[in-house]
This record gives sequence, structure tokens and C-alpha cells, in this order.
Amino acid sequence: DGGITQSPKYLFRKEGQNVTLSCEQNLNHDAMYWYRQDPGQGLRLIYYSQIVNDFQKGDIAEGYSVSREKKESFPLTVTSAQKNPTAFYLCASRAGLDTQYFGPGTRLTVL
Amino acid sequence: DAKTTQPTSMDCAEGRAANLPCNHSTISGNEYVYWYRQIHSQGPQYIIHGLKNNETNEMASLIITEDRKSSTLILPHATLRDTAVYYCIVRPRGTGTASKLTFGTGTRLQVTL
Repeated sequence: DGGITQSPKYLFRKEGQNVTLSCEQNLNHDAMYWYRQDPGQGLRLIYYSQIVNDFQKGDIAEGYSVSREKKESFPLTVTSAQKNPTAFYLCASRAGLDTQYFGPGTRLTVL
Repeated sequence: DAKTTQPTSMDCAEGRAANLPCNHSTISGNEYVYWYRQIHSQGPQYIIHGLKNNETNEMASLIITEDRKSSTLILPHATLRDTAVYYCIVRPRGTGTASKLTFGTGTRLQVTL
């Protein structure tokens, strides 16, 4: 089955902890994205990567970090510097210049 | 990206066609119209996109007016599983931040028996 997987589906974090969200794709897409969605809101871009070993900040990168060591993987770390991390996190990958395909999402809650 | 305007909510009876409108009066010549939907607590799902010609795939049809200032997404035979928030997005094809998707509030489609 081709697609994008995210894990875990639900994640709970204590204040002050860093957590890493996994995103894997087997679609052979070069570009990958991380978005954040808050209740009743649209998507906001955190980071994106157009190629292995390269990534760029999006609109709300503060308090987040990423890596792109493999084409298939684009993990997102939510650091303790992110003041309001509770949200629904979505990973996407892009085919060519066109369509982005999304994973099922990870819901992060800070306790 | 061009701003889009969609109705907040719509209802549709199961088995009937659902017609979801979108206004994008400030669309530029190089901008495409994309449609996604998001079922509650899931990731957005790509539906269809087009530039100026009408498009059809296995999920839906996209009708774009000749002046490109508005479009309509048509789900020909809506089912309960089509209940979702539908987003109309206008953006150019491209890489980098130009490729980010900006979702507005969308149209909440409720399909009923």
C-alpha cells in the first residue's frame, strides 16, 4: 500500500518535554511538509523540505525542528520552546509541482 | 494566494448531487483551483484540481466559470461518507513556500438520509 503514515495517532506530553512526531512516505515524493491545525482553524505551515538534507522554515517554525536524512522520512520535533503545542499535526508530501497528499495526523496534547 | 469565499454549511440528501460553490474573484492567470476535504479528525484528502477547463475524476467534477472567478465542486451521488468540510484553495503550481496550502474555513457538508 502506497501512502503517508504518521505515528503516533495520539501523543501526550508534559510541559518542558521535547517530543518527536514521525512521518514516513513510500510514494517516492521529493517534497514533504508539516502543518499544524488548531480547532476550527485552517492549516498553518511549520516546515517544508524539497529534497533530502534540505528544509526551510514555514510560517510558524518557532519552537519546532525537523530533519530530512532520508527521502522517505521527515520527523518533526516539538521542543519545550513551543509555548502552545497542543494541536493536530499533519504531514504531507507532494507529487511533482502539484498535489499534496496528507497523512492521518497526530493529535498532540500537553498535560 | 487568491482569497476564496465558500458557504459555511450545506445539506444534501443521500443519493443526490452535492454542488459546492466557491468564489475566487481575484484569481490570477497562473493560479489553479484545488479542492480538498477533511473528515472529522482525519488528514485532508485531495479531491480534484483545475486551471480553466472542467475536470472530472472518480470522486467528483469541477466546473470553472469562463471568467474563472468562481467554481463548483460536484459530488454526483452523495453518500453519508461524503460528510466532511470541503476546502476550495487557489494557488499557483510551484515549489517552496509557493506550494503551501492555505485552508480557509471551508464548507461543512452534511449528507442526510
